[in-house]
Amino acid sequence: EMILTQSPAILSVSPGERATLSCRAGQSIISNLAWYQQKPGQAPRLLIFGASNRATDTPDRFSASGSGTEFNLTISGLQSEDFAVYYCLQYHKWPRTFGQGTKVEIK
Amino acid sequence: EVQLVESGGALVQPGRSLRLSCTASGFSFGDYAMSWVRQTPGKGLEWVGFIRSKAYGGTTQYAASVEGRFTISRDDSKSTAYLQMDSLKIEDSGVYFCTRDRSTGWYWFDPWGQGTLVTVSS
Repeated sequence: EMILTQSPAILSVSPGERATLSCRAGQSIISNLAWYQQKPGQAPRLLIFGASNRATDTPDRFSASGSGTEFNLTISGLQSEDFAVYYCLQYHKWPRTFGQGTKVEIK
Repeated sequence: EVQLVESGGALVQPGRSLRLSCTASGFSFGDYAMSWVRQTPGKGLEWVGFIRSKAYGGTTQYAASVEGRFTISRDDSKSTAYLQMDSLKIEDSGVYFCTRDRSTGWYWFDPWGQGTLVTVSS
């Protein structure tokens, strides 16, 4: 199955700063990648689909880019509600698989 | 508002069975596939399986780790999907989420229910 590698595992950022998260696929998944945010005790929430398209209600401080095997999620001007774990999902190869997550914590 | 509510999670012994339910509201349930995704300490987020809409035959597909032990079904008249889990193993412990999906399978998961906790332990 397709391995997605997220880095870093933990990212310490001060409020107001920018955070850049990475997701790398073992082989090309074109643009078939989504990003999710998960807070403690909650279900993952869709942020991005198609590698760079914001989902409904996703604030524009979240942006994403990439294609093929390299993808990034950038959060500009981190707010308190953005500290969470972020996962990538590939839906190009069967079975669909998730990365192991990046925890964005307060520095 | 689209909403998914799971239920049925419990503490169960290894080798026993458990059935989870996922009741949907706010959308035309019968038009969509439904997936189950679990979150376990060992593997993180893992797609478990899905059931296509009746228009696509209502067929199912499963992850290799649960094939032959888990069965997904649906009752469109109740807007409910089910996950029947048999021969449970300790490594099946985790939070089980249902999600709305597309019958092609080449799609992201959105939205998700709040999850239900399954603990397999003697």
